[in-house]
Amino acid sequence: AQTVTQSQPEMSVQEAETVTLSCTYDTSESDYYLFWYKQPPSRQMILVIRQEAYKQQNATENRFSVNFQKAAKSFSLKISDSQLGDAAMYFCAYRRTNNAGNMLTFGGGTRLMVKP
Amino acid sequence: KAGVTQTPRYLIKTRGQQVTLSCSPISGHRSVSWYQQTPGQGLQFLFEYFSETQRNKGNFPGRFSGRQFSNSRSEMNVSTLELGDSALYLCASSLANRGEYEQYFGPGTRLTVT
Repeated sequence: AQTVTQSQPEMSVQEAETVTLSCTYDTSESDYYLFWYKQPPSRQMILVIRQEAYKQQNATENRFSVNFQKAAKSFSLKISDSQLGDAAMYFCAYRRTNNAGNMLTFGGGTRLMVKP
Repeated sequence: KAGVTQTPRYLIKTRGQQVTLSCSPISGHRSVSWYQQTPGQGLQFLFEYFSETQRNKGNFPGRFSGRQFSNSRSEMNVSTLELGDSALYLCASSLANRGEYEQYFGPGTRLTVT
């Protein structure tokens, strides 16, 4: 079974600075998807960024980028120029590849606080 | 396009009762997945429905069940409620049950069992 681990229960960053959230996972499969989801106090889960395991290039979405290290099974999220609106719970998630359904396996989450 | 809607948003039930939660996916989406979120266990997958058929099931007791209708709306039912069933229940919809399609989450139903 796949497992996802987020070792940082809480992180803090100063507004406008950069922060990196860590995620490691365990799987025996060679092809899969990895995601970072944001859950603000409203509880609505929002997709931040996704990475296909077969792609060597790290995904980026505006201020958000990942460092995907497939051999190390590591998938960290970097948030640049942090904003107050970035404060939320962040979840790393794993999904098997095509035809295996949409089941997501989530990590325990990291609470990100942004200081003005 | 309207997003994923879940009803009711909040619910209080008594131990031993049963409850039904509803999820309406984004128009055109045929896959609906359900998750339970608790402070102790985190986010756990319950089940996934696609074209009215259960495609995947998580590790939950048989008290948890679900179904999907022909219009893709989905319901989940929990019978004989226990205190530990208190949680935020999230559903997510997707065009299909293939990995390349993004999942969109609803706002959740907060269930409290007393």
